[in-house]
Amino acid sequence: QVQLVQSGAEVKKPGASMKVSCKASGYTFSSYAMHWVRQAPGQRLEWMGWINTGNGNTKYSQNFQDRVTLTRDTSATTAYMELSSLRSEDTAVYYCARKKSATNGFDIWGQGTMVTVSS
Amino acid sequence: QSALTQPASVSGSPGQSITISCTGTSSDVGGYNYVSWYQQHPGKAPKLMIDDVSNRPSGVSDRFSGSKSGNTASLTISGLQAEDEADYYCSSYTRSSTWVFGGGTKLTVL
Repeated sequence: QVQLVQSGAEVKKPGASMKVSCKASGYTFSSYAMHWVRQAPGQRLEWMGWINTGNGNTKYSQNFQDRVTLTRDTSATTAYMELSSLRSEDTAVYYCARKKSATNGFDIWGQGTMVTVSS
Repeated sequence: QSALTQPASVSGSPGQSITISCTGTSSDVGGYNYVSWYQQHPGKAPKLMIDDVSNRPSGVSDRFSGSKSGNTASLTISGLQAEDEADYYCSSYTRSSTWVFGGGTKLTVL
């Protein structure tokens, strides 16, 4: 079935970088854009950016412009989100989400990856 | 990009209807018919309930409906059921070619 499976929880030190993976299966990976969304504990969803999995083009939220990098490996049908210069406020659950091709909703979500930033 | 504005909480009794609003600007909600609504139960990933303002994906109950007027979109849930109790988020495409979410609304079924 169509699913996105993300990498496991991580604990990072302030100033470090993190990289979360999102393995897609059950559909043609390069035909659907992949978005990344995060949610701090008890807080709202926050859109981070998206990658065109076909050509690799990206667009980032201004809130993360200088710290986030989205990539993909089409042969592995996997998308990646790397966030650098981590601070405590980056403690959150990070989700990958597939955007529907015909409309503009995010129809398939990964299970989420909890990242804790703590010294 | 500021978050879209949603009420922090709404409530209703089983069988009733409720409406959750989502207010943005002409640069997002008002400028495009690209508003989506997501349901999120505690500890779970969000689930798409409505996209493109009023399109209901396959498998979503017809008790859920969406609309838009000007810079405000709305999600209506009719015939409230206990399992509808969750957080609801709206989202919109923006003029900057980005997406933005609302602050979220906690729905309580009394």
